[in-house]
Amino acid sequence: QEVLVESGGGVVQPGTSLKLSCAASGFSFWKYGMHWVRQVPGMGLEWVAFMRNDGYSRYYADSVKGRFTISRDNSKNIFYLQMNSLRVEDMAIYYCARDDFGGHSKPVDAWGQGTLVTVSS
Amino acid sequence: DIQMTQSPSTLSASVGDTVTITCRASQSISTWAAWFQQKPGKAPKLLIYKASSLESGVPSRFSGSGSGTEFTLTIISLQPDDFATYYCQHYNDYSWTFGQGTKVEIK
Repeated sequence: QEVLVESGGGVVQPGTSLKLSCAASGFSFWKYGMHWVRQVPGMGLEWVAFMRNDGYSRYYADSVKGRFTISRDNSKNIFYLQMNSLRVEDMAIYYCARDDFGGHSKPVDAWGQGTLVTVSS
Repeated sequence: DIQMTQSPSTLSASVGDTVTITCRASQSISTWAAWFQQKPGKAPKLLIYKASSLESGVPSRFSGSGSGTEFTLTIISLQPDDFATYYCQHYNDYSWTFGQGTKVEIK
């Protein structure tokens, strides 16, 4: 049973940094690409970033490009989102998700429970 | 960038109704569209992928159709558990784009 658990959310001031983690278990993490998706409470879903299983190919939404960086540690089964220069509009619940495009032509087959990032002065 | 425009934003319906939600892509995406259901405080749940393939475990009252730029999600005989927010999505092998969402509420 694949499980994804996000952590690292909290309250930060605009302009500061925060690093989120997504701990994976129950599957061969190194085989899968991983996404970050965010959602302002009560609002819609926004895709943030994707990293392939190789740990090299990374893709970002324009809204976070240059400020956010994704990485992964396949030895620890953890997927990261480093968020710098945080803005009020980055305040959201951040979900990690396991990509299933290559496996079954589906976008996703597992989600974490989300971690809340609050950006406020 | 491809945009996904979903309508309506809110839909009022009764148990037993058949409802249809539409999503339009800003350019052809073949059948690379999916539909999700989300309930408050929960992660999204995949219902339909490749425009019309039903995800395992999803009731058959949910169906998807379309290709190119026009996609629809249909729910036949709406059940109490179906009142939720629904999102369409374009996906490929490196990025996702979501529609704005449709809240299906009790009439």
